[in-house]
Amino acid sequence: NAGVTQTPKFRVLKTGQSMTLLCAQDMNHEYMYWYRQDPGMGLRLIHYSVGEGTTAKGEVPDGYNVSRLKKQNFLLGLESAAPSQTSVYFCASSYPGHRMTFGPGTRLTVT
Amino acid sequence: KQEVTQIPAALSVPEGENLVLNCSFTDSAIYNLQWFRQDPGKGLTSLLLIQSSQREQTSGRLNASLDKSSGRSTLYIAASQPGDSATYLCAVSTGGFKTIFGAGTRLFVKA
Repeated sequence: NAGVTQTPKFRVLKTGQSMTLLCAQDMNHEYMYWYRQDPGMGLRLIHYSVGEGTTAKGEVPDGYNVSRLKKQNFLLGLESAAPSQTSVYFCASSYPGHRMTFGPGTRLTVT
Repeated sequence: KQEVTQIPAALSVPEGENLVLNCSFTDSAIYNLQWFRQDPGKGLTSLLLIQSSQREQTSGRLNASLDKSSGRSTLYIAASQPGDSATYLCAVSTGGFKTIFGAGTRLFVKA
C-alpha cells in the first residue's frame, strides 16, 4: 500500500517550458486535490476532482490544467511555466468527509 | 470567507512539557476539522479529524478539541518529545472538497 505518490520529486524549468506532474493513489479514494505551498501563503488549492472524469477549479487555478482519466491518477499540467509558479506542489486524496492523505511533494523551480 | 488562524507561529519547549496549540476559524459552519503534522521537506500527515458533531478526538499523547460556537480548536500534546518537533497545521473543511488550511505552528522540543 503505497498511499499517494508523486512524480517527479524535483524539477527545474525555464520560463515558457511545459511539464506534467503525476499523482497516483492506491486507496480507491474518490476525491483528489492539487495544492501549492509557498512561504507565508500556506497551502492553496489549485484544482480538485470528485471522481473519475471530473475536475474543478480551486482557489488559484490560473496557469494550470488537470485531468483525471483514471480514478487512481490525477495529473497537473503547466503549459507555459512562469517564475511565479516556483513552489512545492502537493497532491492529496480522500473519501468525502474523511482524512486527507498527502503525497511527499514536488519541488518545482522556474527560472 | 472562511479564514483559519494559528497562534503561536512558533513555539519552543523543553522535553517533557505538556503543550497546547491553538487554531481559530471565522465561520462556525464547518463540516470537520483536521490537525496535520509536517516535517521539513515532507508531505502532511493527518493526525486527528474531528467531525462537526464531535467535541474531541484522542490518539495516543494527542488530544484535539473543537468548539464550533467560539470558532476554536486546540491540539494538546502530552509529555512532549524531541520527535514531536515539526510544523502542525489546522485545516477546516466547509464541505466535501473545500478545505482551508492555517499557516501552521512550528514546534521545537528541546532535549
